Formats: sequence, structure tokens, C-alpha cells
Amino acid sequence: GESVGLHLPTLSVQEGDNSIINCAYSNSASDYFIWYKQESGKGPQFIIDIRSNMDKRQGQRVTVLLNKTVKHLSLQIAATQPGDSAVYFCAEKSAGTASKLTFGTGTRLQVTL
Amino acid sequence: EAGVAQSPRYKIIEKRQSVAFWCNPISGHATLYWYQQILGQGPKLLIQFQNNGVVDDSQLPKDRFSAERLKGVDSTLKIQPAKLEDSAVYLCASSFGTANEKLFFGSGTQLSVL
Repeated sequence: GESVGLHLPTLSVQEGDNSIINCAYSNSASDYFIWYKQESGKGPQFIIDIRSNMDKRQGQRVTVLLNKTVKHLSLQIAATQPGDSAVYFCAEKSAGTASKLTFGTGTRLQVTL
Repeated sequence: EAGVAQSPRYKIIEKRQSVAFWCNPISGHATLYWYQQILGQGPKLLIQFQNNGVVDDSQLPKDRFSAERLKGVDSTLKIQPAKLEDSAVYLCASSFGTANEKLFFGSGTQLSVL
């Protein structure tokens, strides 16, 4: 079936630098995308979401970019902090209440001092 | 606002034993989900409730897994009998609407089957 995946399993970034976490999806019918942060021993925490009628959405220190042409999603974290160290998941779904969120396998972000 | 509550946090059992997990969603959230997260993987949906009715249980191994949400609020997930491959984190999530968007997750129950 269709799946969501990530380009890099582990990303190491120096504190203060910007982080970019990438996600590829294969379902051309996907119209909703969401990013979660999961720290060790905790459940996934909502970061930001975006619909397919948008290309960009910004939150506090985070920006999600959506390129529907190449089916690519990215999460940008500005001025990365040690507290940003976690596994980041993207997930997608198609339109309609019957469609469920499909999660990728995650990218581990390591912030070095 | 209180988040999704789950218990227990950890559980260790032997194979063929039974186990139950409990979840209390965010107040007012109509939709409740149980996910299984195997180490190194993303969460996988097991079952979805809307109020007290099952919306999707297509990926629930019904020969050993069962779940209920009797009064449309809290929910229990049971495994009987457990297998080694059931070792995982069991996450409960809830959402306000029914569109399977913006789920809020609990901290999960880490199950180890020996």
C-alpha cells in the first residue's frame, strides 16, 4: 500500500543551527500532513500540521513546507536547542473521515553542544 | 487542560498471559485511538472509536486483542494470550473531531512479553 517515509534516519545538528527534517510520501491523494515530536519514554507530541492547499505554514520556531509536485514535506526548526532532541515523525492522510493517519518511521534529531 | 491519561506505564508479562491497558482521553474528545508502536517504528493504528462505537478495527488482531469504550469516555485494550511479538508501546490518542486529524497522544504503556 501507500506509505510515508523519511530520507534520513538520524540528523545531527549543532545547537543554534537550523534543522531540516525531510519526509517523502507516495499517496498522491494525501491532503493533510502532520508532524509529531517524540521524546524518549513519551508519546508523540503535536508540532504543526498543514493541508494540501497550502505550501507553507509557520509556528513558533518551526516551519512546515509542502511540495506536492514531488510529494515532499519538510520540517524546519530554527535555532535548534538541546530540548529539540527527539524522534520526529511525519504522518499523512487522504481526504474523508474514513482515511486514517499513516506514520513514517521517524528521524532522530541529535543536538550537539 | 489535562492530556490523555494512560496506565500502567510499564508492564512485564510472560507469553500466554493476559494484560489490559487503560486510557482516559481529553475531555470532550469524541474519537479515541489505540496505536501500537514497535521499537524503531512509527505508530500503527489498532482500533478507532467514535464515541462508544468502533470506526476502524481492520488492523486489530482480533484473535487475541480486544478493546472497548463502553460509555464513550475511557477505554481498555486487552491482549489474551500475549505473544512475544506483542512487545511494544501501546499508545492511546484522542481527537476532538472525527476527521482523524490533530491527534493528542498519551505517554503510552510499554509492554514487555517474556
